Amino acid sequence: DAKTTQPPSMDCAEGRAANLPCNHSTISGNEYVYWYRQIHSQGPQYIIHGLKNNETNEMASLIITEDRKSSTLILPHATLRDTAVYYCIVRLYMIYNQGGKLIFGQGTELSVKP
Amino acid sequence: DTEVTQTPKHLVMGMTNKKSLKCEQHMGHRAMYWYKQKAKKPPELMFVYSYEKLSINESVPSRFSPECPNSSLLNLHLHALQPEDSALYLCASSQGSGGLGDTQYFGPGTRLTVL
Repeated sequence: DAKTTQPPSMDCAEGRAANLPCNHSTISGNEYVYWYRQIHSQGPQYIIHGLKNNETNEMASLIITEDRKSSTLILPHATLRDTAVYYCIVRLYMIYNQGGKLIFGQGTELSVKP
Repeated sequence: DTEVTQTPKHLVMGMTNKKSLKCEQHMGHRAMYWYKQKAKKPPELMFVYSYEKLSINESVPSRFSPECPNSSLLNLHLHALQPEDSALYLCASSQGSGGLGDTQYFGPGTRLTVL
């Protein structure tokens, strides 16, 4: 079963910040929060991940609450090309060298409008 | 470079056919994955290969047979599929360590239609 809960859809005006929330109240101490997005019929694209600290890269920022039970992905200046399904994923801890198991939730369909 | 390639892009097959999907990466990753994605649903993990050994099989029917000939290649052999197996099949790869940096990178997928 998915370990994350996201709103099914959100709208955002072009040029504004898009804030996508995610609840992961059952996350364990050694599980990571990952965000991917999927533009229609393409493969999922990695955005960002974190364990407990806030993270920023050229695409987005990830804010994780202190209790780690929720997080927010921030796209600082959304464009029409950011329209996609955004998945918040808790990556399960794996035995070393066994790879990583991603369990996708239902995701949030973000529509960026002119 | 974080590119994972998949061939073919589209595949149409009958229920009695045998076909194969191919995935390739040249990032030196040691873990490779197959996911299945039905329309309007999230991807679901099927198999994980780590260091060329099958480490996870998510109870996938035997009509799907994975193969990892070397660390750069991953195949999915298909035989006697059903129409409900029609889906987007996604390949991914990662370093394989399982640690913080073990990010999975996905290919564009193969769109499979079973008639």
